[in-house]
Amino acid sequence: AQTVTQSQPEMSVQEAETVTLSCTYDTSENNYYLFWYKQPPSRQMILVIRQEAYKQQNATENRFSVNFQKAAKSFSLKISDSQLGDTAMYFCAFDINSGYALNFGKGTSLLVTP
Amino acid sequence: GAGVSQSPSNKVTEKGKDVELRCDPISGHTALYWYRQSLGQGLEFLIYFQGNSAPDKSGLPSDRFSAERTGGSVSTLTIQRTQQEDSAVYLCASSLGDNDGYTFGSGTRLTVV
Repeated sequence: AQTVTQSQPEMSVQEAETVTLSCTYDTSENNYYLFWYKQPPSRQMILVIRQEAYKQQNATENRFSVNFQKAAKSFSLKISDSQLGDTAMYFCAFDINSGYALNFGKGTSLLVTP
Repeated sequence: GAGVSQSPSNKVTEKGKDVELRCDPISGHTALYWYRQSLGQGLEFLIYFQGNSAPDKSGLPSDRFSAERTGGSVSTLTIQRTQQEDSAVYLCASSLGDNDGYTFGSGTRLTVV
């Protein structure tokens, strides 16, 4: 079975600073997909970034980037120049292939303060 | 539609009653998923529909829970004889089934009193 662990239940960062959210996973698969989702108070889950395991290059989307360490089974999310609108729950998720549902971690609550 | 639509957005029900939660996925999305999010918890997988294949029901917590998807589109999650521990946000998502990630609805907050 695949497991996803987010070891930081809560984090806080000041506006304009950089913060890194950690995620580790456990799998025996070699090819898979990793995601970070954001859930603001509105409850709407929003896809932030996606990483394919067979690609060594770390994915980047504007202020969001990942540090993907396949051997260590680590997939951390870095948010640069944090904004108040980044305040949300962030979930790491794992997908081995089509035909299976995403497996989510328990989430990290991020608070961005002025 | 433009996004995944869930109704109702909030539902309060008495213990022992049956409830139906509806999900209208993005047109053309062949895959549909139901998750449950309890307070302070992550997303718990419930059930997954892919095209005309038999659904993956492995996440349903008890036989009080069932779901169907009619015509490969709208899905209904039914909880019979609701219990207080069923109180949670129920999230629906749809996708093209191609590992590009899901589009989620805003969820239904179910409160059993």
